[in-house]
Amino acid sequence: ELKVEQNPLFLSMQEGKNYTIYCNYSTTSDRLYWYRQDPGKSLESLFVLLSNGAVKQEGRLMASLDTKARLSTLHITAAVHDLSATYFCAVVMDSNYQLIWGAGTKLIIKP
Amino acid sequence: NAGVTQTPKFQVLKTGQSMTLQCAQDMNHNSMYWYRQDPGMGLRLIYYSASEGTTDKGEVPNGYNVSRLNKREFSLRLESAAPSQTSVYFCASSEDAYRAPYEQYFGPGTRLTVT
Repeated sequence: ELKVEQNPLFLSMQEGKNYTIYCNYSTTSDRLYWYRQDPGKSLESLFVLLSNGAVKQEGRLMASLDTKARLSTLHITAAVHDLSATYFCAVVMDSNYQLIWGAGTKLIIKP
Repeated sequence: NAGVTQTPKFQVLKTGQSMTLQCAQDMNHNSMYWYRQDPGMGLRLIYYSASEGTTDKGEVPNGYNVSRLNKREFSLRLESAAPSQTSVYFCASSEDAYRAPYEQYFGPGTRLTVT
């Protein structure tokens, strides 16, 4: 059974700082997604990572995938308040192509 | 393009009542999904439809039924609502469940409370 763990689950940080959110998963997969959810809103796709070593960047966010370590990271550079949200990773299960989701990391960025 | 739309946005039911959540997408996607989201948890898949005419159970199907009405529409029915079904329900769609990039696009959600 595929399990997806994110850490930390809650992160409060100051504007201007850098930080990394981690997503570990328990079985082989080379397809991973990062989504953002604002309070009371839907989920918005941020990054699609489809191979080992994939790296994607958008503004102050950068995501990477290491399939050998079964680990993805979401790195935040010089955080700004607008990045406050909950971030989810989701991994495609090889057996049936379903997405298995992490519990989410609630990120609060203080001015 | 509206993307993925869901109705209703909010609903309160009494235990034992039934209701149907509606979902439609205008992206010509083959695959559609129903998830539930509970506080402090990630999304859990209830049912999905890889293509028109097919439906399959996900992780938490008990207490729910689905209908893929046509390529655009995928409904979720609660036959006899229970308080444990209080949740936020999201519908999503993707081009193809079995081919990359598998990226799913989400509707705005339905907030359901069962008393």
